[in-house]
Amino acid sequence: AQSVTQPDIHITVSEGASLELRCNYSYGATPYLFWYVQSPGQGLQLLLKYFSGDTLVQGIKGFEAEFKRSQSSFNLRKPSVHWSDAAEYFCAAYGGGADGLTFGKGTHLIIQP
Amino acid sequence: NAGVTQTPKFRVLKTGQSMTLLCAQDMNHEYMYWYRQDPGMGLRLIHYSVGEGTTAKGEVPDGYNVSRLKKQNFLLGLESAAPSQTSVYFCASSYSVDNSPLHFGNGTRLTVT
Repeated sequence: AQSVTQPDIHITVSEGASLELRCNYSYGATPYLFWYVQSPGQGLQLLLKYFSGDTLVQGIKGFEAEFKRSQSSFNLRKPSVHWSDAAEYFCAAYGGGADGLTFGKGTHLIIQP
Repeated sequence: NAGVTQTPKFRVLKTGQSMTLLCAQDMNHEYMYWYRQDPGMGLRLIHYSVGEGTTAKGEVPDGYNVSRLKKQNFLLGLESAAPSQTSVYFCASSYSVDNSPLHFGNGTRLTVT
């Protein structure tokens, strides 16, 4: 079955430190890959997406993600986090079909001062 | 440009009561989705629609019905609410089937007592 796994339920990072959120997918062929962010009380907002081509993709708010086919991974990174980055982050994949995206269970990011 | 608007924002129901959640989008999107979000479960697809007059079941459709009589509106109904339906409900829409991107409403928090 197609699935998206985010191994970390919670991540705590100090403000100014670097961040990496992990995402693995299980699909027969490489899906389209996405990262979304959800601030408290809000809907989800697209950070970045990967369809093909350059395996390092840039997104909004200073985030980037790297696609690694050999590891079936699409990890999200940021060189220096800000307190405003505290949120829930969702990795998602589209593998074809009309039912849209499959979401991971999310990673809750906590920023320490 | 309002994007995706969900009403109501909050609702408390007693077991067995019925209600309808309204989702409206003003982007002329064909694809619309209803998700529920529960702690530790990520987003799970309830029902979706690929165009006016069409609906289809997602991952967790039991206990819910939907209608898409107009392209801009996607209604989610609970005929006989159960405590297990306590959740945050999100509507989303997209121009393309690959959900690039998916636009979310701000959610409806439903409590069933």
